[in-house]
Amino acid sequence: GAVVSQHPSWVICKSGTSVKIECRSLDFQATTMFWYRQFPKQSLMLMATSNEGSKATYEQGVEKDKFLINHASLTLSTLTVTSAHPEDSSFYICSATLAGGEQYFGPGTRLTVT
Amino acid sequence: GQQVMQIPQYQHVQEGEDFTTYCNSSTTLSNIQWYKQRPGGHPVFLIQLVKSGEVKKQKRLTFQFGEAKKNSSLHITATQTTDVGTYFCAAGGSNYKLTFGKGTLLTVNP
Repeated sequence: GAVVSQHPSWVICKSGTSVKIECRSLDFQATTMFWYRQFPKQSLMLMATSNEGSKATYEQGVEKDKFLINHASLTLSTLTVTSAHPEDSSFYICSATLAGGEQYFGPGTRLTVT
Repeated sequence: GQQVMQIPQYQHVQEGEDFTTYCNSSTTLSNIQWYKQRPGGHPVFLIQLVKSGEVKKQKRLTFQFGEAKKNSSLHITATQTTDVGTYFCAAGGSNYKLTFGKGTLLTVNP
């Protein structure tokens, strides 16, 4: 149980384009999902909290207009990186939380912006 | 926001040796969680500690939460090559948010 999927697993896009990443909880409903960013050999940096049916809560320093988050259902949250630049290249990971507070992570999406 | 310091950053051991990673906070934590991330993989939940002085075991892994709930440790007895990966502690906050430590990368020489 507690399986989270992410799609795509990797994507290459050109500078200036937008990329959408999907995060799904496969066997449970998640009212809260989280989006993280991870640079090579570094820790996870929380970008935002995605709440089903309401606006996402962004961490300080994260541009909400650049990283659009939509949590339209109890099993799906999407992150859209708009007008991507090379510095947006990173590993993006989502997670969903159960009532106990533990988080279950998706396999991640590696974004490369050329 | 709360911060958690994790040491060491790297640890290389011979297979069969023990390994410990430590997590410290300047503030009292409501709970602390531990995750393992294999190279190229994603973090996998290991355990959550909530009570002061709590000790939990999972086979060769022993997790401790300090009496003051400001520090925690993960100890692996007799490491195996399958233990390779980065171990993260994460402090639980409001609304289920987690603040991750920088992690300890464990490598095991067979």
